[in-house]
Amino acid sequence: GQQVMQIPQYQHVQEGEDFTTYCNSSTTLSNIQWYKQRPGGHPVFLIQLVKSGEVKKQKRLTFQFGEAKKNSSLHITATQTTDVGTYFCAGPNSGGSNYKLTFGKGTLLTVNP
Amino acid sequence: DADVTQTPRNRITKTGKRIMLECSQTKGHDRMYWYRQDPGLGLRLIYYSFDVKDINKGEISDGYSVSRQAQAKFSLSLESAIPNQTALYFCATSGRQDQPQHFGDGTRLSIL
Repeated sequence: GQQVMQIPQYQHVQEGEDFTTYCNSSTTLSNIQWYKQRPGGHPVFLIQLVKSGEVKKQKRLTFQFGEAKKNSSLHITATQTTDVGTYFCAGPNSGGSNYKLTFGKGTLLTVNP
Repeated sequence: DADVTQTPRNRITKTGKRIMLECSQTKGHDRMYWYRQDPGLGLRLIYYSFDVKDINKGEISDGYSVSRQAQAKFSLSLESAIPNQTALYFCATSGRQDQPQHFGDGTRLSIL
């Protein structure tokens, strides 16, 4: 079945350093979604990418969707302590009437102030 | 999201007991999901439902059952709980198939 892999599993940075997490799918995706889960919280939707090569920005966060629509990345510039949490990517299966998301295992980001 | 409510928030129970986790939503979404989260394993889909009459197994449905009582309610049952079902359980909803999922606050379940 479809697999969505994320690396790294953990990342510890000093506040102000940059951070990147990578997501790779075993199949071509129609879209990819990113979620953030704060410690003790629930996953919260961040963004969806649909087009090949798409780049979207949300303040210090930059999201990219690969040209082949099989990989994606999330880059945070100048991390802050508020960025702490687990970042998940999620991609849909083939779609149709049985559409559902497969989540990556997530990247846990910790930030040292 | 406060629009997706899970009860209970925490539960400790014993092996062999039957447990029901409940999820209700006020978002008017047709699609509802149950996930399990274990450290280092991410979110794994247990069951999902696209409407009241449509229930589907996810990747880890063994040992679980669900009931979609209404558009707004989706319950997850553990018929005979076992310790390796100790985990954090999330309910989620979505509108159209490609729309974002909205998660409840989760139920932390411990089986002794």
